[in-house]
Amino acid sequence: DGGITQSPKYLFRKEGQNVTLSCEQNLNHDAMYWYRQDPGQGLRLIYYSQIVNDFQKGDIAEGYSVSREKKESFPLTVTSAQKNPTAFYLCASSNPGQKYNEQFFGPGTRLTVL
Amino acid sequence: AQSVAQPEDQVNVAEGNPLTVKCTYSVSGNPYLFWYVQYPNRGLQFLLKYITGDNLVKGSYGFEAEFNKSQTSFHLKKPSALVSDSALYFCAVSIRYKAAGNKLTFGGGTRVLVKP
Repeated sequence: DGGITQSPKYLFRKEGQNVTLSCEQNLNHDAMYWYRQDPGQGLRLIYYSQIVNDFQKGDIAEGYSVSREKKESFPLTVTSAQKNPTAFYLCASSNPGQKYNEQFFGPGTRLTVL
Repeated sequence: AQSVAQPEDQVNVAEGNPLTVKCTYSVSGNPYLFWYVQYPNRGLQFLLKYITGDNLVKGSYGFEAEFNKSQTSFHLKKPSALVSDSALYFCAVSIRYKAAGNKLTFGGGTRVLVKP
């Protein structure tokens, strides 16, 4: 988990509320990613960013939004439009300057909708 | 489109016995393959990767994986399993995206249980 922090570790949300998950990295990586993990489904890509002020939708972007104003930070907002937000959310980063480098993952945030 | 299959939801093995976790993939072009491990309520930890070259890749904690192009497989192996290897293992495939970064597609994961 070293170099990438996610907060909070656990998050509870009432239906209809937006919540923002924090992801910070000190690895000087250009690329950052958000994944959602559900039991038995592996990880699915929500959004990714290759560079500051630029990001692209992943496979399941509906109901989520992101920003990339700083290289170190890539916050994810789970909006009320996300129908089933209860899941484990993982942030990752990589250095695209070196070919095919692995992604480094944060410790995750577990979101529960009450 | 790229995809990864891990056909076994769970693998049970006795401590000291060989461990194999299976992975097959589908991708257009040359695959870049990765294995990660996840312990409960933690993020993923990188184990090893295949980019090119020798089909047998050695990684962390005594793990290795063999790339087989004809069978489109990348099985993870460990000659002698430890109880501490009990975890969730993910295989992932990547394609080069816009000349920068990797867009990973993950398999569904295989839970490994090593019994003493």
